[in-house]
Amino acid sequence: DQQVKQNSPSLSVQEGRISILNCDYTNSMFDYFLWYKKYPAEGPTFLISISSIKDKNEDGRFTVFLNKSAKHLSLHIVPSQPGDSAVYFCAARDFGNEKLTFGTGTRLTIIP
Amino acid sequence: KAGVTQTPRYLIKTRGQQVTLSCSPISGHRSVSWYQQTPGQGLQFLFEYFSETQRNKGNFPGRFSGRQFSNSRSEMNVSTLELGDSALYLCASSPQPGSLQETQYFGPGTRLLVL
Repeated sequence: DQQVKQNSPSLSVQEGRISILNCDYTNSMFDYFLWYKKYPAEGPTFLISISSIKDKNEDGRFTVFLNKSAKHLSLHIVPSQPGDSAVYFCAARDFGNEKLTFGTGTRLTIIP
Repeated sequence: KAGVTQTPRYLIKTRGQQVTLSCSPISGHRSVSWYQQTPGQGLQFLFEYFSETQRNKGNFPGRFSGRQFSNSRSEMNVSTLELGDSALYLCASSPQPGSLQETQYFGPGTRLLVL
């Protein structure tokens, strides 16, 4: 049972445009959400997070939006740069349980 | 400060064999978690160790086991390997259990191929 879903396995975006990566979840006990970025041959690195008490968190070119009623979060990258090409994972933490549940990842390709 | 190191980086085994993977956390980090990454399933949590004790366990069969040593280094073992065990195994370290995930750092992983 996939509690965190990233329905788009891949996404291609023109350099300079906005990249929008989506993530849906089913467990209403999730209270904290994170996005990770992964380059080939490297481990995932933390990108940005959001608590369930917020609906938006911004860090430079990266903004995460959370819609609790829809159980949906999205990551916006603007403007997109070639170095953003990577696999992006969303992850969620269960309240009271420190385990992270990850989505299956979206491969983002930025076209120069 | 050195990052999380995992050895070996690549491994080829045959069905039925067993394998041991090693993870050295960042200096000062005492919590180590293991994840399995496969194309269709993303990252799946295997287990977490702290103070040489398993604190949390994911939904994996008993063939998957781990341990942690007094210096916080951790190993995971997979016995009676199956083809489906082919995956990237990632180790992550954090200062202590309950640390914000922002302070959790992943190693580069061990790529296991089972033939």
